Amino acid sequence: AQSVTQLDSQVPVFEEAPVELRCNYSSSVSVYLFWYVQYPNQGLQLLLKYLSGSTLVKGINGFEAEFNKSQTSFHLRKPSVHISDTAEYFCAVSGGTSYGKLTFGQGTILTVHP
Amino acid sequence: NAGVTQTPKFQVLKTGQSMTLQCAQDMNHNSMYWYRQDPGMGLRLIYYSASEGTTDKGEVPNGYNVSRLNKREFSLRLESAAPSQTSVYFCASLRGVTGSSGANVLTFGAGSRLTVL
Repeated sequence: AQSVTQLDSQVPVFEEAPVELRCNYSSSVSVYLFWYVQYPNQGLQLLLKYLSGSTLVKGINGFEAEFNKSQTSFHLRKPSVHISDTAEYFCAVSGGTSYGKLTFGQGTILTVHP
Repeated sequence: NAGVTQTPKFQVLKTGQSMTLQCAQDMNHNSMYWYRQDPGMGLRLIYYSASEGTTDKGEVPNGYNVSRLNKREFSLRLESAAPSQTSVYFCASLRGVTGSSGANVLTFGAGSRLTVL
């Protein structure tokens, strides 16, 4: 079994500032890791994923995340946020047997202020 | 290209009533999933269908049934709705074929918001 903890429920930030959304996971097997974004009243959209290989993963909209196996973390970063990045972000883990059976974190609401 | 389509988008039920949430995908995906989203809890897997003709329980299956009607459609049924089932329900699909582009990424529908009074 696996679990995911998003360490911040809400993150307020000013436009053009950098942001980091933190995600820790626990699992007894190798994992695949994902970040999804949900804009108001919409479904989830994939930002980026780590399956294997390079631990620094780049995604859409200028986001990137780094897989740290020793610290069991997969933090999401963006060097300069925009108002349009305001949304809820979910970290998710798959136990390695199915890409579709995901365990999600509780979500982090990112609010970008002008 | 519609992707994953869920109906209805909104529904209000009284305790004890039954209803079915419909989901259809037009991407020829093999696997389909039902998740529920509750505030502060992220998304939790209710049921899934790894391939046509199979269904399996996820993390929170109690009170729900599913049917994989064909490769395109995967429905979720509440036989006797309870207030604890008030939630936003998401259907998702996955190609699930090793080596295919995008095979390992879920595509989500827009969600169905259900309120049980």
